[in-house]
Amino acid sequence: QVQLKESGPGLVKPSETLSLTCAVSGYSISSGYYWGWIRQPPGKGLEWIGSIYYSGTKYYNPSLKSRVTLSVDTSKNQFSLSLSSVTAADTALYSCARRVGAAWDYWGQGALVTVSS
Amino acid sequence: QSVLTQPPSVSAAPGQKVTISCSGSSSNIGDNYVSWYQRLPGAAPKLLIYENDKRPSGIPDRFSGSKSGTSATLGITGLQTGDEAEYYCGTWNTILNDFFYVFGSGTKVTVL
Repeated sequence: QVQLKESGPGLVKPSETLSLTCAVSGYSISSGYYWGWIRQPPGKGLEWIGSIYYSGTKYYNPSLKSRVTLSVDTSKNQFSLSLSSVTAADTALYSCARRVGAAWDYWGQGALVTVSS
Repeated sequence: QSVLTQPPSVSAAPGQKVTISCSGSSSNIGDNYVSWYQRLPGAAPKLLIYENDKRPSGIPDRFSGSKSGTSATLGITGLQTGDEAEYYCGTWNTILNDFFYVFGSGTKVTVL
């Protein structure tokens, strides 16, 4: 069974960089598929942040592109998100997921990240 | 403001049917497959429908999906209390040379 688990600091100061890692088990990232990050601010809907392939090919949400960096570590079977210059508007539940075509079939539980001084 | 529009809420009694619409444009739904997700409180989203009308293994046939033009619909029959959740549609959106994934605004299903 494919499982994804997010990890990282739950509190980030404004203007700093948010960093999260998604550890994948039950499936080798190198075997294929795109892997991505999706967030949900409190009381709001889902927002796609970006996707990465094991080879390094990346796609970003245009609205976040200037602040987002995705990376993948196939040796550890995990991928990561960095979001720079964060503000309170970046406070959200951040989830990692696997994409199959136009659908996300496996999701992590999510990691709540609060931006506050 | 989401690119895909869903009704904020729908409700029905146990055993009844609800439908959730997802309205978009030729830049997204009109030209791409639609998927649907269920988010129960405190849980990870679950894929209910992919490629407009296909159910992943383990999803009961009470859940159905359809697409027509620039709109898609999720149907839930035999409504159960366990179906109370937020439901989201999702698809690719293409603008000029940029393409990105978009989700609907979300619909809260209440079982009366």
